[in-house]
Amino acid sequence: DTAVSQTPKYLVTQMGNDKSIKCEQNLGHDTMYWYKQDSKKFLKIMFSYNNKELIINETVPNRFSPKSPDKAHLNLHINSLELGDSAVYFCASSQGGQGTYEQYFGPGTRLTVT
Amino acid sequence: AQSVAQPEDQVNVAEGNPLTVKCTYSVSGNPYLFWYVQYPNRGLQFLLKYITGDNLVKGSYGFEAEFNKSQTSFHLKKPSALVSDSALYFCAVKGTYKYIFGTGTRLKVLA
Repeated sequence: DTAVSQTPKYLVTQMGNDKSIKCEQNLGHDTMYWYKQDSKKFLKIMFSYNNKELIINETVPNRFSPKSPDKAHLNLHINSLELGDSAVYFCASSQGGQGTYEQYFGPGTRLTVT
Repeated sequence: AQSVAQPEDQVNVAEGNPLTVKCTYSVSGNPYLFWYVQYPNRGLQFLLKYITGDNLVKGSYGFEAEFNKSQTSFHLKKPSALVSDSALYFCAVKGTYKYIFGTGTRLKVLA
């Protein structure tokens, strides 16, 4: 029973294309996140949603558009893909964005832009 | 601004020896500190956290961490390392609706 799942696991695409990554959590959490992990393994938050509302947008280009149709889902759509977008994208969730609960991470989506 | 620093890119330790992975933090107010582990091609897994109370926190897989307020540190420790502990370890501090991660420390346990 996967707690946080992401699809697809791998995504290879060409520059200029548009792609989406889906994330679902079955933990009943009210806060979800997108992180980007670059080739040096640095992990940087991109977005944070609480109860479907965007709370954090960490100066991410507006080519990236998250959407949360309900508390259990947070999708990431990327327009006009660039080489620099190549990275591993992680979805995560936690209970309470202002609380002290730990995050649960998905397995990641490795995006390769050629 | 809140931040954490992991001063070592890599730590090597022999199997059976104690290990320490270092983390220092900078926060205003009470720090909420976390350790996560990442195995190759996997997402991060929660190991342990410090919120308040006892300075020695015990977590998963035999790991523990020592919170030291005067040194603003939260070092991860294990009394006896296993080869299977080899992975990437991240320290994190909790902000409002986000977690700020350190740059990660690669732990290599040598047989």
